[in-house]
Amino acid sequence: SQELEQSPQSLIVQEGKNLTINCTSSKTLYGLYWYKQKYGEGLIFLMMLQKGGEEKSHEKITAKLDEKKQQSSLHITASQPSHAGIYLCGALSTYNQGGKLIFGQGTELSVKP
Amino acid sequence: KAGVTQTPRYLIKTRGQQVTLSCSPISGHRSVSWYQQTPGQGLQFLFEYFSETQRNKGNFPGRFSGRQFSNSRSEMNVSTLELGDSALYLCASSSGGTQEQFFGPGTRLTVL
Repeated sequence: SQELEQSPQSLIVQEGKNLTINCTSSKTLYGLYWYKQKYGEGLIFLMMLQKGGEEKSHEKITAKLDEKKQQSSLHITASQPSHAGIYLCGALSTYNQGGKLIFGQGTELSVKP
Repeated sequence: KAGVTQTPRYLIKTRGQQVTLSCSPISGHRSVSWYQQTPGQGLQFLFEYFSETQRNKGNFPGRFSGRQFSNSRSEMNVSTLELGDSALYLCASSSGGTQEQFFGPGTRLTVL
């Protein structure tokens, strides 16, 4: 079965610094989702990538899906305390699998003021 | 548009009881998926409903069941609760297919 591996598992950065979180799959991804979660709360949708080489940005967050569609990265520029939380990547493992997402274990981000 | 709503937000039950959780998707969305989140196992897919039909199912015992109504609202039921069922239960709604999935705030279930 497909698994998603995120790295690093946790990250502490100084406010203003850039950072990158990676999400790697053993199989081709048919849709890659990035979410942010505050502890014990729901997931906030950030971005969805579908095409190899695709890149999307929202405010200071940029996500990319590699050409082979097996790895995605999430980059935050000039981090702020509001960026702190748990970042999760989720993916559709099979085309036309509808709403069945598998998730990575998450990356916990702390931003020190 | 209003977001995904889940009720109740918090629930405390004892072993052996059953529980029903509710999820109202974003207006116009026909797909509702349910997930269980625990510190040990992370986020795991339970099942998905689309137009009142279960379309996908995860690897959970038969004690976990669900249904969807004609207005796309969905309920999830867990019978004969076990301590290990304590978790945050999340539902997600989408218009279907490979579209964006938007999550609700979750229901925190504690089994004593």
